[in-house]
Amino acid sequence: DADVTQTPRNRITKTGKRIMLECSQTKGHDRMYWYRQDPGLGLRLIYYSFDVKDINKGEISDGYSVSRQAQAKFSLSLESAIPNQTALYFCATSDPSGTAYSSYNEQFFGPGTRLTVL
Amino acid sequence: ELKVEQNPLFLSMQEGKNYTIYCNYSTTSDRLYWYRQDPGKSLESLFVLLSNGAVKQEGRLMASLDTKARLSTLHITAAVHDLSATYFCAVTETSGSRLTFGEGTQLTVNP
Repeated sequence: DADVTQTPRNRITKTGKRIMLECSQTKGHDRMYWYRQDPGLGLRLIYYSFDVKDINKGEISDGYSVSRQAQAKFSLSLESAIPNQTALYFCATSDPSGTAYSSYNEQFFGPGTRLTVL
Repeated sequence: ELKVEQNPLFLSMQEGKNYTIYCNYSTTSDRLYWYRQDPGKSLESLFVLLSNGAVKQEGRLMASLDTKARLSTLHITAAVHDLSATYFCAVTETSGSRLTFGEGTQLTVNP
């Protein structure tokens, strides 16, 4: 079973619709992240959470919101989707402690959600 | 603001050849990561580099880090088709936890 799962994997929606992307993890990590990927721009951080009560904005949070329902679940919402939010969205997790320094805060990515806003 | 730049952004090479991908970053960092992404797939961690002079190797890939120059390299030795993918470097600022990614290098290895 995958350690980090995302649902849905693909979604096509219309401008103005509310969309929720969900991320679940079985790695037991406290830290979770949402990124979007656009061609030629690498991955950009939208929001991140260090625990259930800690939510932080990333570099491109406008137009997005998040909810950390439990240690294992982190959802991303687009309240009113617009076409320039068409992208590939990734969830990631990390463990700041790790079992060895070499694993400190290494991030593990989910399979991604391809979102198209028409 | 931390900036991370990779070059080249596109690389087409023949099987058997060697090449290097470069990753420059703009501020002090204590951790640098290399990831691989196959088309339509997620990111797979390749290397974590933690200190100046760190070198790690896995198969035909070798990564190194020069923190003084703020430069990491990913060297490909005797490329094979299976290495075709997009490679990203990502950097964390010293004592920080957020990753900043480079634009990615799309590598194509031709027979």
